[in-house]
Amino acid sequence: GNSVTQMEGPVTLSEEAFLTINCTYTATGYPSLFWYVQYPGEGLQLLLKATKADDKGSNKGFEATYRKETTSFHLEKGSVQVSDSAVYFCALSLSPYSGAGSYQLTFGKGTKLSVIP
Amino acid sequence: DTGVSQDPRHKITKRGQNVTFRCDPISEHNRLYWYRQTLGQGPEFLTYFQNEAQLEKSRLLSDRFSAERPKGSFSTLEIQRTEQGDSAMYLCASSLVVVKGGSPLHFGNGTRLTVT
Repeated sequence: GNSVTQMEGPVTLSEEAFLTINCTYTATGYPSLFWYVQYPGEGLQLLLKATKADDKGSNKGFEATYRKETTSFHLEKGSVQVSDSAVYFCALSLSPYSGAGSYQLTFGKGTKLSVIP
Repeated sequence: DTGVSQDPRHKITKRGQNVTFRCDPISEHNRLYWYRQTLGQGPEFLTYFQNEAQLEKSRLLSDRFSAERPKGSFSTLEIQRTEQGDSAMYLCASSLVVVKGGSPLHFGNGTRLTVT
């Protein structure tokens, strides 16, 4: 089946530190990959996405590159801020045109990030 | 675009009672999804609708759960004879799916259910 594995949290960083949150996936077919973010008390928000191998998604200083050879989609940010404190979810979806999906998302367990001043 | 709206935000109920949640998707979206999220876990897919048709249901959706989207707009999720294990955040999401592609899912803020 389809699954997403992301690094266990929580992750605590000082402001301006470099962030990496690892994400690997298993999928039948060629998925689209996503990072969603959940700020305290709020719903899930799409942070970035990539729809095919070697695509790089980016938003708000965050980046992730779709690596088919390593089945990975690691999230990175060069300099984190206190406002980045949230739970980050890696997810995949499969198009029905790949014969294996319906666009619904499969999520990892989430990684809680705390950034301290 | 007013976003996906869910009601209520919180629900506390006693074991054995029935509960119903409502979701109002983004108006032009034709797909509506329900997910469940327990503490420390990622959201798990429950079911989705394309317009008013319920096209897929997860094994997680037991007989006590029923979802409807009668006019292809808002949706309700009902849980009958609630159990303590039903305590979770219930998330609704919507998206626009066209012939050769789909938009990312937009999520509501969720309904937190506590069964005592």
